[in-house]
Amino acid sequence: DTAVSQTPKYLVTQMGNDKSIKCEQNLGHDTMYWYKQDSKKFLKIMFSYNNKELIINETVPNRFSPKSPDKAHLNLHINSLELGDSAVYFCASSRPRGREQYFGPGTRLTVT
Amino acid sequence: DAKTTQPTSMDCAEGRAANLPCNHSTISGNEYVYWYRQIHSQGPQYIIHGLKNNETNEMASLIITEDRKSSTLILPHATLRDTAVYYCIVRASMRGGSEKLVFGKGTKLTVNP
Repeated sequence: DTAVSQTPKYLVTQMGNDKSIKCEQNLGHDTMYWYKQDSKKFLKIMFSYNNKELIINETVPNRFSPKSPDKAHLNLHINSLELGDSAVYFCASSRPRGREQYFGPGTRLTVT
Repeated sequence: DAKTTQPTSMDCAEGRAANLPCNHSTISGNEYVYWYRQIHSQGPQYIIHGLKNNETNEMASLIITEDRKSSTLILPHATLRDTAVYYCIVRASMRGGSEKLVFGKGTKLTVNP
């Protein structure tokens, strides 16, 4: 019974390609997030959606486009992938005004 | 957001209490103290949070000083599976219920047999 799941777990692709990472939560939460953890292990928030509405957009290049088809899903689409996009991407969710965020297992993206 | 300062690394013997300190001297009145941990190659895991009172749950205890300028996360009986990076985060609520967590470098806790 995975609470927050992400697919794929690993993604290896070439520069210039377009790829998507999917996230689903079965917790009934209204808010979902995308974080990026780079090679130095810093975790940084990228986006937050609440009830399918974009709440946080942390000056992420517009090659990154989150899409929330419904409250349970927040997908991340990345166009024209660059070497610097290589990182682990984590999805998370939380209740409205809930203080706990539940994180997925991460997607390791490698751009060659 | 108030900045937090944590030791880079700590060691603890299995079965002993692990006390992880965090300084947040610029914390403001409406900011909460959160603790998360990240076990190797996994997503961060919420541990506990507090505003000014001490808190305890099934995982840990959080002790916040009276002036709120520092706090300590206590794992009462550390096990090998508690080896992880522990993050202390100070944050107020954002609009729409979104919490923007800002992760620092954290403390790498190693529990030794």
